[in-house]
Formats: sequence, C-alpha cells, structure tokens
Amino acid sequence: AAGVIQSPRHLIKEKRETATLKCYPIPRHDTVYWYQQGPGQDPQFLISFYEKMQSDKGSIPDRFSAQQFSDYHSELNMSSLELGDSALYFCASSSLQDLRGRTDTQYFGPGTRLTVL
Amino acid sequence: AQTVTQSQPEMSVQEAETVTLSCTYDTSESDYYLFWYKQPPSRQMILVIRQEAYKQQNATENRFSVNFQKAAKSFSLKISDSQLGDAAMYFCAYTIQGAQKLVFGQGTRLTINP
Repeated sequence: AAGVIQSPRHLIKEKRETATLKCYPIPRHDTVYWYQQGPGQDPQFLISFYEKMQSDKGSIPDRFSAQQFSDYHSELNMSSLELGDSALYFCASSSLQDLRGRTDTQYFGPGTRLTVL
Repeated sequence: AQTVTQSQPEMSVQEAETVTLSCTYDTSESDYYLFWYKQPPSRQMILVIRQEAYKQQNATENRFSVNFQKAAKSFSLKISDSQLGDAAMYFCAYTIQGAQKLVFGQGTRLTINP
C-alpha cells in the first residue's frame, strides 16, 4: 500500500538559511499534519490542513509557514533557521474514513531529519 | 487541555514473555480516539493499535492488545510473546474526532532481552 512520502530525508543547513520540506500524503487522504520531534522528545504538533485549508495550528514559530496544494501535497517552509530547529519533522495524513471504516487514523511518513549548523 | 501521561520511561522484558505499557490521559471530551505508535531505531512512526472511545470492546491486533478503562482514563498496551523486533520507543497518543492533532505521551522505551 502507498505510504506518506517526505522529501528530502536529510537536510543540513546553516543558521539563518531557509529550508523547504515536502510531504505527499497517502492517495485520497484529505488531511495533512506536520509534527516536530526534538531529540529524546515526543512529537509536537505544528500545523494541519484539511482540503487545502489550514485546519489547526500548534506551536509553530512565526518563521515557519506551510501550505497544501491542489494535488494535496504540502510544504513546510522554514526561514531564519536556528540551532534549535534541528529536529525530525514528520508529516502525517488521514482520511475521514478509509476502506476499513476507521476514521481519524494518522499515518506517518519517514520524516525529514533537519540539522542546523 | 488534553494531556497524555506515560509513567514508565523504560521497560524491559524477556523474549517470548508478556509486557504491559501504561498510559493515562485527561480529557473532558466524550468522543475521542486513542492510539499506540511504535518508533524503532529507524525513527519511523508506526501505528500499532487504535481504540475508539465509544467502543467498550478492547482492540486487538495479533500479539498486541489494549486494556481500555474509560472511567479511569487508562489505556494500556499488552504485548504478548515479545519478539526482538518489538524493541522500540512506544508512544501513547490521543485525538478527538474531526481530523484533529495528536497529543502524545512522553514515550516508553521497550527493551527485549534475548
């Protein structure tokens, strides 16, 4: 079965640079979520999109922005990078209902490991 | 605000034995979902099992089962016949209906001893 695709898998940037992370949800999934996981921490919700509209916002810095495009893929743009932005960034997707009737189950991509030097 | 608590930072079990990971949560919602995710050393987040709050029957997935106690707001994961591949960080997570964010617990690191 198709899974969530994230690119790139690894990214190294300098402080104050800009990074763009991409997420391709599972086909026919209508909601995309972004999470940030620091070393030794649990994932923290950043932002989500339902049908290309922002649906919820968490602890996302003002330096970060995101959007969902007409083909449902999403991009997380991060500017003025700081050392503390080094983390694993997950994208997850869900559908109100899948083939087994289960709703609101989020499936995660492999993550993008961002290192800021 | 909803919170999820995993009180066991680390657990270990002998291969082929059974282990139970604990999770409690706090919510004022009546309709919600609970999950266990597994994060192996690859750091991929893998769904293990899911429970709908309106269902009284405990969810099971092969060797994995949950003990869902709604009144006590408790959601433990039992792993039977533990295998070396079960070694991972396990996260308990909560969400409400309607494509809402997941709230995670702090995680429990499970070690399997051969």
